[in-house]
Amino acid sequence: EIVMTQSPATLSLSPGERATLSCRASQSVDSYLAWYQQKPGQAPRLLISGASNRATGIPARFSGSGSGTDFTLTISSLEPEDFAVYYCQQRYNLFTFGPGTKVDIK
Amino acid sequence: QVQLVQSGAEVKKPGASVKVSCKASGYTFTSYYIHWVRQAPGQGLEWMGIINPSGGSTSYAQKFQDRITMTRDTSTSTVYMELSSLRSEDTAFYYCAIFRMDYWGQGTLVTVSS
Repeated sequence: EIVMTQSPATLSLSPGERATLSCRASQSVDSYLAWYQQKPGQAPRLLISGASNRATGIPARFSGSGSGTDFTLTISSLEPEDFAVYYCQQRYNLFTFGPGTKVDIK
Repeated sequence: QVQLVQSGAEVKKPGASVKVSCKASGYTFTSYYIHWVRQAPGQGLEWMGIINPSGGSTSYAQKFQDRITMTRDTSTSTVYMELSSLRSEDTAFYYCAIFRMDYWGQGTLVTVSS
């Protein structure tokens, strides 16, 4: 089973700042990596699939990069609505979520 | 429009089983695999398994292999997730989802308590 880890667990930033979230897989997942955003009381929302492809309607300030075992989600300039929990998910061998990174307001 | 509508909240005793339903509409039911994901209160997302509504084939996360069953009824466009031998740690919101289209059900709270 592929294990996903994310760092940091919490990221405290101010609106307008750049957020860099990391995700690592225990073995290569090629580019079969997705990123989700979840806000309290809501279902997750897909941001990125295929490691770097923005989902429909996702703003350009969200970008994904990486392949193999190391991946990054970057939010170029945080908007107030971006403060949430972010999960990576591997789709290479079945599916596994990472533990999440909470982006909160500094 | 695509909708996944789940059954209502359940309260179960330890050792019992629960069966949650997910009724799909707004698309061809057999076209997309349906996943089940759970989330304990205040915790992260946990992928449980997947069912192909076309043929009924399933794959489960290793953690749940021995106590989960996913089935489907093509006549009603409904998938089911049954989890047995419930324990308190199974208290969570359970979601069905179509990952390819990013559609999710509203979630079903299952509470396991004596």
